[in-house]
This record gives sequence, C-alpha cells and structure tokens, in this order.
Amino acid sequence: GAGVSQSPSNKVTEKGKDVELRCDPISGHTALYWYRQRLGQGLEFLIYFQGNSAPDKSGLPSDRFSAERTGESVSTLTIQRTQQEDSAVYLCASTSGANVLTFGAGSRLTVL
Amino acid sequence: RKEVEQDPGPFNVPEGATVAFNCTYSNSASQSFFWYRQDCRKEPKLLMSVYSSGNEDGRFTAQLNRASQYISLLIRDSKLSDSATYLCVVIPISSGSARQLTFGSGTQLTVLP
Repeated sequence: GAGVSQSPSNKVTEKGKDVELRCDPISGHTALYWYRQRLGQGLEFLIYFQGNSAPDKSGLPSDRFSAERTGESVSTLTIQRTQQEDSAVYLCASTSGANVLTFGAGSRLTVL
Repeated sequence: RKEVEQDPGPFNVPEGATVAFNCTYSNSASQSFFWYRQDCRKEPKLLMSVYSSGNEDGRFTAQLNRASQYISLLIRDSKLSDSATYLCVVIPISSGSARQLTFGSGTQLTVLP
C-alpha cells in the first residue's frame, strides 16, 4: 500500500485479556519497528525486525509482550494478560534502509 | 545521561516569531540526524534531515554542531500550523545493535495568534 497501515485504530479491552495489534508496512520496506507512546510521553522502542535476521527484542517491557513478522510483510504485536499500564498508542514504522521512518497512524489501546 | 535529550518545553511563541530548539546527543560516533514533527494525537512525520553543513527548507533551518554534540532546528516567521511536538532522531555509525534509531522525547511548540 501507499503507507503503513495499522489495525485496529482503537481497542478497548478488559484487564487480563490478550490483544493483538497488526501492522502492514510499506511494500518493499525491509525494516519494521514497533514503538509505544504513553499519553504525553516520548516514543519507547519495543522491537525491530530487519529482513530475515533475528529481531531485536531488547525493548519489550515484559514477557507478556511478543511480536512476529513473516518475511518482509505483516507484523503482529501481541500483549497477553493486559494491564492498565499497557494503555498507550502502539506505533509501527517501516523503512527501506535509508534511516527515514514512515509511521502508521497507530493503535490506541485502552485497558480498563 | 540520556542518549538523546531535548527540552520538553512548552515553547509558547506569537505568530511571526523565530524560535529555536536544541537536541543534545551523547554518542560522539553518531552520524545521521533528523527532525520529525508530531501533531497532537497523530503519528510522527519526517520534517527534515540534518546535514553536516546545515540545511534549509523554507522557514526551517537545521544545523549540526559536532564539537558540542547537538543539533538545532530554527523556525522563522512561525505559523499557527507549526504548533506540534518536534522530535529529534540520532543514528550512530555502528551501534552493534539493530536498534539504531534513538528518538528524543520531543519539544512542544505552541504558536499563539
């Protein structure tokens, strides 16, 4: 597609439920990032995928968070047993390797 | 010390004013620098790259000071539509990690009528 697409745009869930967020990067972009942004805060790195290399998971805050990417296509970020502190906007970005990121509009997660 | 630091602001300036933000970085090996703009409740978007010799794009001027390890963004003749959060991004030449990009926490600008 023309841009990075994320779904759902908004998700309200109950504490303890699992959620799955999806990111469709720009076609041909080999690198994909997930960030978390809490209200009024900066971007917090979560995970990085580059082609078929092992992902850099160093930013995942706990083992409740996991992400997958198949080749250079869609990525999913899964949060298990959600907590209220997981409430945030989850941003996905992709790049062709020129170090310029194109972000999706984000998935706003609210955990009640 | 954080890898990348920005004054969070807020900077409140009248329309037509000139305003400048700095972004300091700790890794002297950093090689690539960018400014992004993030509107309220929107995703960040690239504003401009920062070149060693400095560069201009209309009312926006970006500069790099390697000796003092900071980049700056100057906005002239500010418009209401310039109100946003400005994020700096720093990339080291070789971080040894796939996580190359480091975002500053952003500087909030409000241009007042």
